Amino acid sequence: AQKITQTQPGMFVQEKEAVTLDCTYDTSDQSYGLFWYKQPSSGEMIFLIYQGSYDEQNATEGRYSLNFQKARKSANLVISASQLGDSAMYFCAMREGMDSSYKLIFGSGTRLLVRP
Amino acid sequence: DTGVSQDPRHKITKRGQNVTFRCDPISEHNRLYWYRQTLGQGPEFLTYFQNEAQLEKSRLLSDRFSAERPKGSFSTLEIQRTEQGDSAMYLCASSGTVTTEAFFGQGTRLTVV
Repeated sequence: AQKITQTQPGMFVQEKEAVTLDCTYDTSDQSYGLFWYKQPSSGEMIFLIYQGSYDEQNATEGRYSLNFQKARKSANLVISASQLGDSAMYFCAMREGMDSSYKLIFGSGTRLLVRP
Repeated sequence: DTGVSQDPRHKITKRGQNVTFRCDPISEHNRLYWYRQTLGQGPEFLTYFQNEAQLEKSRLLSDRFSAERPKGSFSTLEIQRTEQGDSAMYLCASSGTVTTEAFFGQGTRLTVV
């Protein structure tokens, strides 16, 4: 069965430092997509970054990068130069199949607190 | 604003009452999803529409829950005879045929008292 595991319920990071949020996944599909979303206290899920299972390069979007290790089934999010506004819940999610319904399976999330 | 819009943002209802939530997706998106998020958890998939057709429903969607998307535009999610266990954030998302990611609304927080 498809599953996303985020083992860090909470993380602290000092402002301007980098932080890595862990995500491992389980799937029997060869074709899948991995996502990271940010959820501030307002509740909206904000898309951050996407990695396709066939993408050979790690995805990057500004200060966000995804450390994709396919053999280990891990898709860790790296946030560089943390800012106070990065304090939020972060969810890793997976979509199976590239032509499927785009239904996402989410992990339980990691709460990140950025210290000034 | 061209994002996904949900209404209301908050709803408090008494147990046993019916409630209805609305979602307006991004206009060019043909796919629409409903998720439920309880405290401390990630969102869980409820149902999916492609245009007006409801193509997938989760086992979480009991017979008290019904979703519609008339004319493939906005969608409604109705919960009949609400129970305290229905208290959660209900999130709507939409995506297009060529977009990779789904865009979420700000959610409707339901409290059943």
